[in-house]
Amino acid sequence: AQSVTQLGSHVSVSEGALVLLRCNYSSSVPPYLFWYVQYPNQGLQLLLKYTSAATLVKGINGFEAEFKKSETSFHLTKPSAHMSDAAEYFCAVSDSGGGADGLTFGKGTHLIIQP
Amino acid sequence: DAGITQSPRYKITETGRQVTLMCHQTWSHSYMFWYRQDLGHGLRLIYYSAAADITDKGEVPDGYVVSRSKTENFPLTLESATRSQTSVYFCASSEVISKAEAFFGQGTRLTVV
Repeated sequence: AQSVTQLGSHVSVSEGALVLLRCNYSSSVPPYLFWYVQYPNQGLQLLLKYTSAATLVKGINGFEAEFKKSETSFHLTKPSAHMSDAAEYFCAVSDSGGGADGLTFGKGTHLIIQP
Repeated sequence: DAGITQSPRYKITETGRQVTLMCHQTWSHSYMFWYRQDLGHGLRLIYYSAAADITDKGEVPDGYVVSRSKTENFPLTLESATRSQTSVYFCASSEVISKAEAFFGQGTRLTVV
């Protein structure tokens, strides 16, 4: 079984400040990890994914995430927040062992950007 | 246009009625999924399908029925809608399982009154 915990249902940062969204996972096998973004009234869009290659993964819109096995974490960061980053962010885990039931999502973190 | 489309985008129905949400993808992806999104719960898997005529239950399947007679379509039916099924429903598809990203539709906002 696998699970995802996102710390903080809401995160507020000032424009230009560092963005840090936390994600911890639980998986009985080496995981594949994903970050998705959801803008209002839209579907989910992939930001980045970790599939056992480089532990530091770069994604779209200046976001990156680092896989830390010892901490079972996959936190999402961006050096300088922009107003357009305001959205809902979801961390998700997939079973690399071939489980056929797709992604398990965290409950999401709503990112608020203060001007 | 290539992609994954859901219809309708918005639906209001009455308790006890049957309603079907449609999902169509043009990539010929093998895997398709239905999720529901609720405040405080994130996305929860309802049903998934590994190929045409192969479907299986997810985390919250009760009250829902799916079918997949063609690779590109994966309709979700609420046999007798209840207020607890008021939610936003997302369909997704994926070429392979596990490491490939899933592509999501725009969602259907369903209100059961």
